[in-house]
Amino acid sequence: DAGVIQSPRHEVTEMGQEVTLRCKPISGHNSLFWYRQTMMRGLELLIYFNNNVPIDDSGMPEDRFSAKMPNASFSTLKIQPSEPRDSAVYFCASSARGDWGGAYEQYFGPGTRLTVT
Amino acid sequence: QKEVEQNSGPLSVPEGAIASLNCTYSDRGSQSFFWYRQYSGKSPELIMFIYSNGDKEDGRFTAQLNKASQYVSLLIRDSQPSDSATYLCAGINFGNEKLTFGTGTRLTIIP
Repeated sequence: DAGVIQSPRHEVTEMGQEVTLRCKPISGHNSLFWYRQTMMRGLELLIYFNNNVPIDDSGMPEDRFSAKMPNASFSTLKIQPSEPRDSAVYFCASSARGDWGGAYEQYFGPGTRLTVT
Repeated sequence: QKEVEQNSGPLSVPEGAIASLNCTYSDRGSQSFFWYRQYSGKSPELIMFIYSNGDKEDGRFTAQLNKASQYVSLLIRDSQPSDSATYLCAGINFGNEKLTFGTGTRLTIIP
């Protein structure tokens, strides 16, 4: 089975431009997570969805960030306008409830490396 | 204080020795813990998870959980150069879906 798919893998843009990152979760997984990773702050959860509904967006840094999940197989993370401090690796992960009901194993996509100049 | 704490390292271990990675957590509501391995420039890869006190073994890897002392560890036996990576510890509360990650420990296996 294919893992989590993200596109693009690399994005270089100028400050002020709109950036859209895309994610396709593992088929059958009903939860999707967007993370950002930087050297300074480590891995931070931005937002997560369950059954396409946003559950917790408390990690979204500011109104310039927005995320959508129009269906079970697609999600987007948009930054508008982008700023140099948004430069980071953005990961998408998906999960399904563990077989025994208690553990949520998250599987990560390859990430999008965003550079804003 | 971060909810999940890890020594950032780097931790250097000779090839063939046991590498011991430690993680402490502050939220007593945390029920399950996950260890991820991340190679430079790659995404985190799940190694194993543990939710019961004691040890859980999977090949060369052993996860240990002590809820009374609020620590989690990962032992890697017969360390190989391919084990050189950053290891991330993450905790989750039962019924919740949010993982809280530590900042990771960078491990280097010396041939």
